[in-house]
Amino acid sequence: EAQVTQNPRYLITVTGKKLTVTCSQNMNHEYMSWYRQDPGLGLRQIYYSMNVEVTDKGDVPEGYKVSRKEKRNFPLILESPSPNQTSLYFCASSYAGVGSGLDEQFFGPGTRLTVL
Amino acid sequence: GQNIDQPTEMTATEGAIVQINCTYQTSGFNGLFWYQQHAGEAPTFLSYNVLDGLEEKGRFSSFLSRSKGYSYLLLKELQMKDSASYLCARRDNYGQNFVFGPGTRLSVLP
Repeated sequence: EAQVTQNPRYLITVTGKKLTVTCSQNMNHEYMSWYRQDPGLGLRQIYYSMNVEVTDKGDVPEGYKVSRKEKRNFPLILESPSPNQTSLYFCASSYAGVGSGLDEQFFGPGTRLTVL
Repeated sequence: GQNIDQPTEMTATEGAIVQINCTYQTSGFNGLFWYQQHAGEAPTFLSYNVLDGLEEKGRFSSFLSRSKGYSYLLLKELQMKDSASYLCARRDNYGQNFVFGPGTRLSVLP
């Protein structure tokens, strides 16, 4: 089944304790992206990657890191989480690259993170 | 900024037609997307417009006017299962930067 998976689905942690949220897709998509979703603010793009070893900042990259060593995986790293990073996080992937037309993104199920 | 504006909430009756509007900044525009998101779930793709005009897909249609920075999603023959949030998203011309609007929560009443 074609899908985007994220782990963990739920996480409660404390300020300053490094964590990684994994994201994996099995559709051979070139493009992957991370978003956070907060009430009243909608989805905001954190980082995106157009291919292996190519990553770019989205609109809210502060406090986050990403890597794209393999095409299928795009982990989100919070080196020192803070309470303002409490949010619902979505990973997404799509086939097309720059200059393409339809670029439907497939979203993972979401990771609900609470930082105390 | 790249503000995208949508109404926060809308209510409609089962069987009716509803139009959800979206306005966005035009500079660097390279495509307008609509997604549906049910509560507690991931967004799912509904439609895509890059040229002016109407794109129809079953009960859902989406319209784009690039010069006005305006799009709408039209839902016909509303069903209870259409109760969800509808997200408008703009793609940047220079890459794959996507900016989403805050979403419109639609409630379909019997």
